[in-house]
Amino acid sequence: GAGVSQSPRYKVAKRGQDVALRCDPISGHVSLFWYQQALGQGPEFLTYFQNEAQLDKSGLPSDRFFAERPEGSVSTLKIQRTQQEDSAVYLCASSPQQNSPLHFGNGTRLTVT
Amino acid sequence: RKEVEQDPGPFNVPEGATVAFNCTYSNSASQSFFWYRQDCRKEPKLLMSVYSSGNEDGRFTAQLNRASQYISLLIRDSKLSDSATYLCVVIGYGGSQGNLIFGKGTKLSVKP
Repeated sequence: GAGVSQSPRYKVAKRGQDVALRCDPISGHVSLFWYQQALGQGPEFLTYFQNEAQLDKSGLPSDRFFAERPEGSVSTLKIQRTQQEDSAVYLCASSPQQNSPLHFGNGTRLTVT
Repeated sequence: RKEVEQDPGPFNVPEGATVAFNCTYSNSASQSFFWYRQDCRKEPKLLMSVYSSGNEDGRFTAQLNRASQYISLLIRDSKLSDSATYLCVVIGYGGSQGNLIFGKGTKLSVKP
């Protein structure tokens, strides 16, 4: 069956460019999470949606990061004026309801040069 | 003290060995617990849930100790293919981060 889909798989951006990362969760999944994972580290929480509502964005590292899920399905993570420290894998995950285990997409590897 | 802590390893073990990882959590209100496996350059995948009474899935055994606030994962007769990073996940933390906290992972390397 269809899992969580993320695009693009790889993104190279020049410092200062804006990027948009897309996540298609599993159909019907209410909860959607974004994580940032640096090499050799565990996933670090960025933000969390329940349907279209962004319930927690405490993990977004700066106001250059913005996420939306306008219709409660597809979500976009936008990073403005990218910096080298933004280079990481960005993982999206969804779950059918709160407190259920997550299903991850295969991530977008962002490299800022 | 961090919310969820794991020994980062690496644990280097020979094939056939038994290896155990622990994960401690700080919030006694935590409700659900899981172990995820993450292969190099891949996304995390659910390995198993952790139930209060302990549970087993083939060579893998998960246990929960609420009194001491830790969960464990035991791998018996380890295989080369078990080499990965094992992440513990604690849910029901108290409303933040979607109620879900990841540990930083324990790296396992199984050698022939």
